[in-house]
Amino acid sequence: AQRVTQPEKLLSVFKGAPVELKCNYSYSGSPELFWYVQYSRQRLQLLLRHISRESIKGFTADLNKGETSFHLKKPFAQEEDSAMYYCALKIQGAQKLVFGQGTRLTINP
Amino acid sequence: GAVVSQHPSWVICKSGTSVKIECRSLDFQATTMFWYRQFPKQSLMLMATSNEGSKATYEQGVEKDKFLINHASLTLSTLTVTSAHPEDSSFYICSATQPNRLAKNIQYFGAGTRLSVL
Repeated sequence: AQRVTQPEKLLSVFKGAPVELKCNYSYSGSPELFWYVQYSRQRLQLLLRHISRESIKGFTADLNKGETSFHLKKPFAQEEDSAMYYCALKIQGAQKLVFGQGTRLTINP
Repeated sequence: GAVVSQHPSWVICKSGTSVKIECRSLDFQATTMFWYRQFPKQSLMLMATSNEGSKATYEQGVEKDKFLINHASLTLSTLTVTSAHPEDSSFYICSATQPNRLAKNIQYFGAGTRLSVL
């Protein structure tokens, strides 16, 4: 079955330090990967997706099919990056997303 | 753009009663809507996928007679929790996708509904 694994439930880094939120997926076909973010008291929203190959709020994520990973990275963390981050997988032919367990990122001042 | 409204945001009901939650796409026509359930400190669990004018597709283990989903228009889907019990207390979230090719497969989420069954 398709699965998304985010190994870190909690991640805490200092402001200005690099951040990497890990995401691994299990799917033998051609995946479409997303990162969604939920800031405090806000709804879940799209941060970025691999097909766009863009940087959003300084975050990037590269799909590595060999390692079946889609890690989210930012070189210099900011306090406003503190949020819950979810990695999600869409498989071919299906409309639904499979979500990882989420990582709560805390940026310390 | 692509705003999804969910109502109510919080509902308390007595055990045995039914509760209806609405999910509306305000500025786009939602080809597909999704209903999730989220337990405290856990991830989103997909309950069902709903396409306008057709029956919802429920995930394994989700009781379709318990969680009735209606998607009567391209802007409205409803989730009715029938004969609610305390174990149905949870946070229910809807999302929607739009047919715009550039936004394909992006889900836009509602703010969620907290259901408390006494």
